[in-house]
Amino acid sequence: EVQLLESGGGLVQPGGSLRLTCAASGFTFSNHAVSWVRQAPGKGLEWVSAISGSGDGTNYADSVKGRFTISRDNSRNTFYLQMNSLRDEDTAIYYCAKELGFCSGAGCLPFDYWGQGILVTVSS
Amino acid sequence: DIVMTQSPDSLAMSLGERATINCKSSQSVLSSSNNKNYLAWYQQKPGQPPKLLIYWASIRESGVPDRFSGSGSGTDFTLTISSLQAEDVAVYYCQQYYSNLPLTFGGGTKVEIK
Repeated sequence: EVQLLESGGGLVQPGGSLRLTCAASGFTFSNHAVSWVRQAPGKGLEWVSAISGSGDGTNYADSVKGRFTISRDNSRNTFYLQMNSLRDEDTAIYYCAKELGFCSGAGCLPFDYWGQGILVTVSS
Repeated sequence: DIVMTQSPDSLAMSLGERATINCKSSQSVLSSSNNKNYLAWYQQKPGQPPKLLIYWASIRESGVPDRFSGSGSGTDFTLTISSLQAEDVAVYYCQQYYSNLPLTFGGGTKVEIK
């Protein structure tokens, strides 16, 4: 059974940092690109960042470029989102999600499994 | 960036009625190399993560009831629920995965029972 489990969320002041972790199981981790997708309270879905299965390709939404860094450790079946210089508008539930099937790079397939999400609140 | 526009924002239908949700992309998501539309539909119930319903515009994900169907090509797409059930109350999102990132979602359509 495929499982994705996020951790590391919480309350942080503006300008602060957090690192989110997504632990994956139930599939061949290195074969799948993965992404972080967020949802502000009462709002729609916003893609944040993606990383290819090998980890050599990363992409970011303009809203987080230069502040967030995505990475993965295929030996631990885990991927991460390091979030720096956090702003009020980064407050959201953050979901990790895996792409359906294999493709070179990232962002070429839809998401067939999602974690339950973890809340990040940026507030003073 | 490809902008995805959904309509309506919400709809309320009676049980057993047909519900139709539209999604329009600002540019075509049809690939000329493989003739596939890079368009997916998700269902999100309150307090839950999104669930993949449809991909390649019309392929139903495993386990999804056959009352859900997707159609369309190029820039115009439709998700149809042929006979609305109580458990279908949710917000539905379309997503394109055509362009070399960013991936983009529609604004969502809330489906309720009248």
